[in-house]
Amino acid sequence: AQKVTQAQTEISVVEKEDVTLDCVYETRDTTYYLFWYKQPPSGELVFLIRRNSFDEQNEISGRYSWNFQKSTSSFNFTITASQVVDSAVYFCALSESSGGSNYKLTFGKGTLLTVNP
Amino acid sequence: DGGITQSPKYLFRKEGQNVTLSCEQNLNHDAMYWYRQDPGQGLRLIYYSQIVNDFQKGDIAEGYSVSREKKESFPLTVTSAQKNPTAFYLCASSITLAEAFFGQGTRLTVV
Repeated sequence: AQKVTQAQTEISVVEKEDVTLDCVYETRDTTYYLFWYKQPPSGELVFLIRRNSFDEQNEISGRYSWNFQKSTSSFNFTITASQVVDSAVYFCALSESSGGSNYKLTFGKGTLLTVNP
Repeated sequence: DGGITQSPKYLFRKEGQNVTLSCEQNLNHDAMYWYRQDPGQGLRLIYYSQIVNDFQKGDIAEGYSVSREKKESFPLTVTSAQKNPTAFYLCASSITLAEAFFGQGTRLTVV
């Protein structure tokens, strides 16, 4: 079973629209971390946010906001007033224990966001 | 400058050959990871290591091998047993449970 599911493969919006990227995760751990990364066309992944399993407060950073809901195992990402520079592939990721002191970092398949002028 | 360095950026391999991808970090991170990226597949975990001289198989370890003899280095060998090695390979490192920092990737092509 997929540990991290990003059901939206591709999203296309027009500049200034708001857009939400969905992420649903699966874990048996009570302590885990969730992440969002951005991958622009250059290929290098850029870290956006980390959230631990005990902190369900939503977070806002400029035009970006994140909604973490443990009850639905979701960690959604919203871009407000999208811009062309937001065009990229966005990945959601989960870090959980894989036994002993080992932690496994698993990514979803990503959502390709295209913002058109 | 601190960071993760992957080399080479582009690599061509003949069928049946083993090749080794380099990954070095000077961030003093304990954890290191190797991922493979194919179109539409996202990042799939090949191997990961939390400490020196120890590593774990990820979801698609078959046909790959790694070593972790030094904290700074986590080379990945793509063996001839890997039937479809053409892909983009990303190395990452992190403090345990913190955000991972990624290298710029190596694009491997079988010719």
